[in-house]
Amino acid sequence: QQKVQQSPESLSVPEGGMASLNCTSSDRNFQYFWWYRQHSGEGPKALMSIFSDGDKKEGRFTAHLNKASLHVSLHIRDSQPSDSALYFCAASANYGNEKITFGAGTKLTIKP
Amino acid sequence: NSKVIQTPRYLVKGQGQKAKMRCIPEKGHPVVFWYQQNKNNEFKFLINFQNQEVLQQIDMTEKRFSAECPSNSPCSLEIQSSEAGDSALYLCASRRGRDTEVFFGKGTRLTVV
Repeated sequence: QQKVQQSPESLSVPEGGMASLNCTSSDRNFQYFWWYRQHSGEGPKALMSIFSDGDKKEGRFTAHLNKASLHVSLHIRDSQPSDSALYFCAASANYGNEKITFGAGTKLTIKP
Repeated sequence: NSKVIQTPRYLVKGQGQKAKMRCIPEKGHPVVFWYQQNKNNEFKFLINFQNQEVLQQIDMTEKRFSAECPSNSPCSLEIQSSEAGDSALYLCASRRGRDTEVFFGKGTRLTVV
């Protein structure tokens, strides 16, 4: 079983709409979470990190973490066609230099 | 924008051939990761280094995979005898330290025919 599960596998949202992505960890050691975005032909790029309970907002992106349930979400408001990409949730057990474990990704398509 | 440089971008090898790919981490980034991303976009952690020392690695008992990050030279990942199942995107990433972002390169896409 994957330690980081993402849903949905794919999501289609109209331009200007809200996209909501979900991630749950099955490993209680995971306390640090990131969202990465990967466009076709590129490597992943970190969007946001979130380490504390609650919301974290950066521009059009808002991440929410609930440590008790090990659930983290990403909300993208005013979605743009350039937001179409693969989105990965990633987690690690401590904020050192150990490996980061990735989920299987959500494919987001923004329809013009 | 990431300044992690991976070469080559594409690599085609026959089964049983050696495949070698290189990575230049961002300047000032002593921590380097290698990941394998398969055709289903799933990530598999392979190994990470801090300076020249291995921090963590998967069980490479097959001995087909080896990696190193020598000082003053690019890091490298080598597959001694390529198999069809090794076909994937190999991603190198680096970070400055504990509380900094991890930057990925564009990857080397290996196809084993």
